[in-house]
Amino acid sequence: DIQMTQSPSSLSASVGDRVTITCRASQGISNSLAWYQQKPGKAPNLLLYAASRLKSGVPSRFSGSGSGTDYTLTISSLQPEDFATYYCQQYYSTPHTFGQGTKLEIK
Amino acid sequence: EVQLVQSGAEVKKPGQSLKISCQGSGYSFTSYWIGWVRQMPGKGLEWMGIIYPGDSDTRYSPSFQGQVTMSVDKSISTAYLQWSSLKASDTAMYYCARHGTYSNSPTNWFDPWGQGTLVTVSS
Repeated sequence: DIQMTQSPSSLSASVGDRVTITCRASQGISNSLAWYQQKPGKAPNLLLYAASRLKSGVPSRFSGSGSGTDYTLTISSLQPEDFATYYCQQYYSTPHTFGQGTKLEIK
Repeated sequence: EVQLVQSGAEVKKPGQSLKISCQGSGYSFTSYWIGWVRQMPGKGLEWMGIIYPGDSDTRYSPSFQGQVTMSVDKSISTAYLQWSSLKASDTAMYYCARHGTYSNSPTNWFDPWGQGTLVTVSS
C-alpha cells in the first residue's frame, strides 16, 4: 500500500492568513492526488484533483502543487468558512489511501 | 444533478448482519465506479474499496477484504455494503462516493459523496 503522510496534523491560523498543508507519498504517484475538505458532521467535498486542478465552483484561493512524492495544498487568504479538516488522497494505485488529515482551526 | 443518497442510520448488536445502501441518480450509474469510505468516531477517512456497476468488478482494501462485501443492483442504481457478522469495532460513519469521471479505470478521485450512514454496533 502507498502511505500518505500529511503535515501538520493541526494548524491554527487567522482569517486572511496564507496556509500550506503538505502531503507526502511513500512512493511516486504521478500527480494522482486529490484534496478534500470536511466540515464537522458533513461528508467530505472535493477541492482539487490531479494535484493542481481545481474543481469547478471551488474558490480560486485554493491551489495545489507538487510532483513525484510531495504535494501541497495552499489557501491564499483564509476565510471563515475554510476552517475545517483537509485530507489528501492518492488514487495512483489501490487501495487509494488517504492522509490522516489536517485540522485547520481559528487562532 | 448528480446525487448519491444513502440509507438511514442503523443500530445493531454484535454478530448481527447488515446491508446499507447508496442510490445514485442524475448520471449513468453503470459507467462510474462507486467506493466506500469508513470514518470511525473522531478519526480520519479510510478507503474500503470500489465497485464498477457495469460488470461488478470490485477492488477491496486489504484492511477490509473478507470483512465486508460490496455489491450493486443496476436495475435500481444502488450500491450496497454488507456485513455478515458485525463487531463493535464496525461502529463508524460510512460514506459512499462516486468516481469523478466516466471511466472503467479504477484510477480516479471521489466526487460527489453521499451524506453518510452511521452504523452503531453495541450490545
